[in-house]
Amino acid sequence: GAGVSQTPSNKVTEKGKYVELRCDPISGHTALYWYRQSLGQGPEFLIYFQGTGAADDSGLPNDRFFAVRPEGSVSTLKIQRTERGDSAVYLCASSSKRGSERENTEAFFGQGTRLTVV
Amino acid sequence: GDSVTQMEGPVTLSEEAFLTINCTYTATGYPSLFWYVQYPGEGLQLLLKATKADDKGSNKGFEATYRKETTSFHLEKGSVQVSDSAVYFCALSSWEYGNKLVFGAGTILRVKS
Repeated sequence: GAGVSQTPSNKVTEKGKYVELRCDPISGHTALYWYRQSLGQGPEFLIYFQGTGAADDSGLPNDRFFAVRPEGSVSTLKIQRTERGDSAVYLCASSSKRGSERENTEAFFGQGTRLTVV
Repeated sequence: GDSVTQMEGPVTLSEEAFLTINCTYTATGYPSLFWYVQYPGEGLQLLLKATKADDKGSNKGFEATYRKETTSFHLEKGSVQVSDSAVYFCALSSWEYGNKLVFGAGTILRVKS
């Protein structure tokens, strides 16, 4: 597609349930990032994929959060046993950065998934 | 760790007024600096960037200069328009850390006609 696509755009779930959020990056982009944006705050880094592997998952808040990118394209962020504090907008971004590149490459963001845990 | 601090909003200006949004950063290496904008109902978009000290980024009449001595990257525009109303985020990233972005809290800009 032309840009980064995230689905669903909105998700309401009950506390304790499991959710999956999907990100479809720009075709050919090897780098993929997940961020979380709470109300009134800037986005906070969660995890970075280079190809199929998670190169940096230092931003995942706890072991209820997990993300995969099995074929190096689409990624899924998975949240187990959701809590009300998980309510936020989850943003995905992709870039053409290769792991070995020593320069900053522009990241393109999707519209985000607004997750509400009730 | 690396961090970004930007001025709190909301900032309310009349059309054609001069805009400054302050941004300072803390980083261990030599990051690139960015301003992102989020218009109502839209996703984050890159507004401008600077990759090394004394570089000036510019786009759509907005400018920001990478000042290493003051660790700042203030956003300026000489004459704002109503269509500039949005949330502005200052951010940094370093290729050493996979280009992950560290964002400030964002500044809401409201421009009145």
